[in-house]
Amino acid sequence: DQQVKQNSPSLSVQEGRISILNCDYTNSMFDYFLWYKKYPAEGPTFLISISSIKDKNEDGRFTVFLNKSAKHLSLHIVPSQPGDSAVYFCAASAGSNYQLIWGAGTKLIIKP
Amino acid sequence: DAGVIQSPRHEVTEMGQEVTLRCKPISGHNSLFWYRQTMMRGLELLIYFNNNVPIDDSGMPEDRFSAKMPNASFSTLKIQPSEPRDSAVYFCASSPSGGAQETQYFGPGTRLLVL
Repeated sequence: DQQVKQNSPSLSVQEGRISILNCDYTNSMFDYFLWYKKYPAEGPTFLISISSIKDKNEDGRFTVFLNKSAKHLSLHIVPSQPGDSAVYFCAASAGSNYQLIWGAGTKLIIKP
Repeated sequence: DAGVIQSPRHEVTEMGQEVTLRCKPISGHNSLFWYRQTMMRGLELLIYFNNNVPIDDSGMPEDRFSAKMPNASFSTLKIQPSEPRDSAVYFCASSPSGGAQETQYFGPGTRLLVL
């Protein structure tokens, strides 16, 4: 039973355009969501997060949108750059629980 | 800061052998997590330590797996005996206090291949 789903295994975007990565969740108790980025042969690194009390959080080129009614969040990267090519993981946690529930990841490829 | 350090980076062993993976968390971090990543199951939490004490080991697959944290700067994950299905990338991560909305900082991982 996957509580956090990233249905697109991969996404290809032209450099300079917007990249939109999607994540769906099933557990209504989740109240904190994170995006991590992973390069090959490295561990995941934190990118951006959002609390369920907000519907948007922005950090430079990265914006995360949360739609609680649809149990959906998305990560927007604009403009996309070659260095953004990586695997992006969505993760969620509930209340005081330290445990993160992870999606399967989406591989983003930025084409020159 | 050097970040989370893991060793070895790669390990190839034969079925039945003992494997020991090592982790040094970020200095000052009180929480440590061991994860396993496979194609089939993605990123799974194996065990979580807080202040060197195992808090949650429900993710440890079976008795062949054990983890220790003898002090705040060192942890090991041991597999004995190893099996081919244990082949995966094992990540160690640390966070300042293990709080619910804290960022976890990951090491580079150990890629394990059991033949």
